[in-house]
Formats: sequence, C-alpha cells, structure tokens
Amino acid sequence: KAGVTQTPRYLIKTRGQQVTLSCSPISGHRSVSWYQQTPGQGLQFLFEYFSETQRNKGNFPGRFSGRQFSNSRSEMNVSTLELGDSALYLCASSFQNTEAFFGQGTRLTVV
Amino acid sequence: GESVGLHLPTLSVQEGDNSIINCAYSNSASDYFIWYKQESGKGPQFIIDIRSNMDKRQGQRVTVLLNKTVKHLSLQIAATQPGDSAVYFCAENGGSQGNLIFGKGTKLSVKP
Repeated sequence: KAGVTQTPRYLIKTRGQQVTLSCSPISGHRSVSWYQQTPGQGLQFLFEYFSETQRNKGNFPGRFSGRQFSNSRSEMNVSTLELGDSALYLCASSFQNTEAFFGQGTRLTVV
Repeated sequence: GESVGLHLPTLSVQEGDNSIINCAYSNSASDYFIWYKQESGKGPQFIIDIRSNMDKRQGQRVTVLLNKTVKHLSLQIAATQPGDSAVYFCAENGGSQGNLIFGKGTKLSVKP
C-alpha cells in the first residue's frame, strides 16, 4: 500500500505570492489533516478534512485554507505569503479515528 | 524579532541500553495518544498508540505507559540502537477526531 504522498517536496516563493500544496492520502483513508512544523513553534495543527468537509480547524489566519476532493486528495493554499510562513508542511491521513500516517512534507521557503 | 528555536530536551544513551522518553499531556479530554519518531528531513513516523482505557501497550522493542491520574505518557525503547536516534513526539487527540496536539519533542541520541 502506498503511503501518504505530498507534492512538491521543496518550494521557494516570494513574499506576497500564494502557494498550493498537495497531499494524496493512503488508499481508503478519508481523513486528511495538515500541520505546520517550524523550529520555533513545533508541530501545529492547521485543519482536518473528512469526506470533503472541514471538520476541525487550528488557530491560523484566514490566509491558510484547504479543501478535499471526492477521492480524498487534499490541497492547502496559503495566500499573501509572509517570511514567517517558511516551514515544513505535513499532511497526515487516517482511517476513522485511528493512527495518523504522515507524508514526507513540503518544505516551503519564503524569501 | 526573530523567534527562538525550540530547545528540545535531549536524551543520550549508550547503544544496547534501554531508553525512557517522557511526555506530559495537557488535555484531560484526550482519550487517544500516539508516539511518533521523526528523523532529519522526514515526516513523523508512527511508532505506537494507546487508548485511555489502557495503561500499557507493547510493541516490538517499544512499550507505552499511560498514567491518566497525572496526565503522563512514556515511551520505553528496549536495547536502543543507533537507528533509534531521532526526535520523538507524543501526541494527544484532545478528545476530538482528526486533530492531534503534539508535544515539543525529545531528541534521542544513541552513542555506539
């Protein structure tokens, strides 16, 4: 069974731009969660989608958004990028309320 | 100003010794807990989980202990190997689905 796949692996963007990150969950998993990991703040929850609906949301500004498609693939978007958005963005998928499996992450650098 | 990086607690052990990594969780409503291992440049890797109706669960070379009275979780690694060197995170579900609350992490360093 293929694991969680995130694309792209690395990304460099300029302040003010927007970015879209993609996550393909493990086959059969309907829950997809997104996390931001930085040296300063650790791993922080962004949002979670289940069956195309946002079920939970963390404390991030509205510039951070996401969506989930009918095949459970998910995207997250960050608009008007700031230097502080530089981070490793991790996606995790799970089957119902069981362990969450993470992808390798997308390393976003904002310059 | 610049944000200060997290100062991760570090546990240094000799190869072959047992390791114990501790975690204090915050939410009394949490009923599901997971330990993850994260190696440099990789995403967190699931190690073992435990539900709140248990106080101990064993896997291969790993044991998780849960003390709900003091909201404490520990991960024991038997016969620690160099490949176990990584940052270890505990996570709790805060009583809700799909949202894991992560601890700050502990860096495990194994000396050959």
